[in-house]
Amino acid sequence: GAGVSQSPSNKVTEKGKDVELRCDPISGHTALYWYRQSLGQGLEFLIYFQGNSAPDKSGLPSDRFSAERTGGSVSTLTIQRTQQEDSAVYLCASREAGNSYEQYFGPGTRLTVT
Amino acid sequence: KNQVEQSPQSLIILEGKNCTLQCNYTVSPFSNLRWYKQDTGRGPVSLTIMTFSENTKSNGRYTATLDADTKQSSLHITASQLSDSASYICVVSRGHGGSQGNLIFGKGTKLSVKP
Repeated sequence: GAGVSQSPSNKVTEKGKDVELRCDPISGHTALYWYRQSLGQGLEFLIYFQGNSAPDKSGLPSDRFSAERTGGSVSTLTIQRTQQEDSAVYLCASREAGNSYEQYFGPGTRLTVT
Repeated sequence: KNQVEQSPQSLIILEGKNCTLQCNYTVSPFSNLRWYKQDTGRGPVSLTIMTFSENTKSNGRYTATLDADTKQSSLHITASQLSDSASYICVVSRGHGGSQGNLIFGKGTKLSVKP
């Protein structure tokens, strides 16, 4: 079946602009995660959605970052007033209910802030 | 501090050769340890997941080991192929596996397999 998809695959934006990144999880997966992967660094947790529970936003680096998940499916990560240090690959992963371990990752969105 | 350290940072081997990648962690409480393969421009793909009671797990030519006492893991690749060229990421789950921000990621080992 279809895996996790993300769009766009690449995004170049000017400093100060807002960007929206989209994630389509695997159908039926109740958990959804956003991560950031900066060059030469490990993945950094950003935010986690589980069903109808309040999201865990503990990884968001600043109030310029926000995310929502509509209808328990598609998620959008929004970065306002982008800065050059926001340049990274943003990865989305989903996990099915009851499976504590296995996360399935999307291909990521490469964001470049000029 | 919860950390996952991987070595080497990068590795070049010839096709057909074996190699072993290392992962040391200082994560507590430990739930499970995973190895992921990440091809360039793609998201990570799970290779193995091991809980505290497991000390070895295989997935084809990939064999992972876990020593929970010394907090070390290794990923052994046998008879390497050109398609094995990728970054290999060690991930340790703290507490309840898979939930929220309890996954601690290593920076990965970049493996290049040359013909």
